[in-house]
Amino acid sequence: AQSVSQHNHHVILSEAASLELGCNYSYGGTVNLFWYVQYPGQHLQLLLKYFSGDPLVKGIKGFEAEFIKSKFSFNLRKPSVQWSDTAEYFCAVKTSGTYKYIFGTGTRLKVLA
Amino acid sequence: NAGVTQTPKFRVLKTGQSMTLLCAQDMNHEYMYWYRQDPGMGLRLIHYSVGEGTTAKGEVPDGYNVSRLKKQNFLLGLESAAPSQTSVYFCASSSRDRPYEQYFGPGTRLTVT
Repeated sequence: AQSVSQHNHHVILSEAASLELGCNYSYGGTVNLFWYVQYPGQHLQLLLKYFSGDPLVKGIKGFEAEFIKSKFSFNLRKPSVQWSDTAEYFCAVKTSGTYKYIFGTGTRLKVLA
Repeated sequence: NAGVTQTPKFRVLKTGQSMTLLCAQDMNHEYMYWYRQDPGMGLRLIHYSVGEGTTAKGEVPDGYNVSRLKKQNFLLGLESAAPSQTSVYFCASSSRDRPYEQYFGPGTRLTVT
């Protein structure tokens, strides 16, 4: 069965620190990859997505993610975090030709001002 | 546009009681989804629908039923609530043209005692 692993459950950073959140999936076929963000008290919003082409994708608010097919990874990065980035981040995978999304368990990021 | 709305926002049930959660979207989306979010588990797909009158099972369908009688509404029913169904329930929708871009509702927090 397909699965998505997010190894960092809780991350605490100071403002201006760099961020990298890991995401690994298990599926050998074609996948679409996503990062969603859930700010405190709000619902999930799409941060960025990868379908094909350039493996480095840029999303909103300065976030980017790199798809490394050989490592089955889609890590999220941001060079310099802000206090407003405090949120929970979810990686998700959709296998090509299906309607089902598999979400990771999420990473809670806290940015200290 | 209201986007995706969910009714109710909060509910407390006793074991064995039944209830229906309503999801409504005003974006004319074809696809709708019900997820549950539990601590340390991320989001798990309960049921989904690819069009009016059609539904399909997700990862964790047991104990739930759904109906999509109208395109804009997707109902999630619990016939006999159990404490294991205590969770936050999210509805999402997406269009056929951009199925990867899910729009989430604000969630319903359900407690079963």
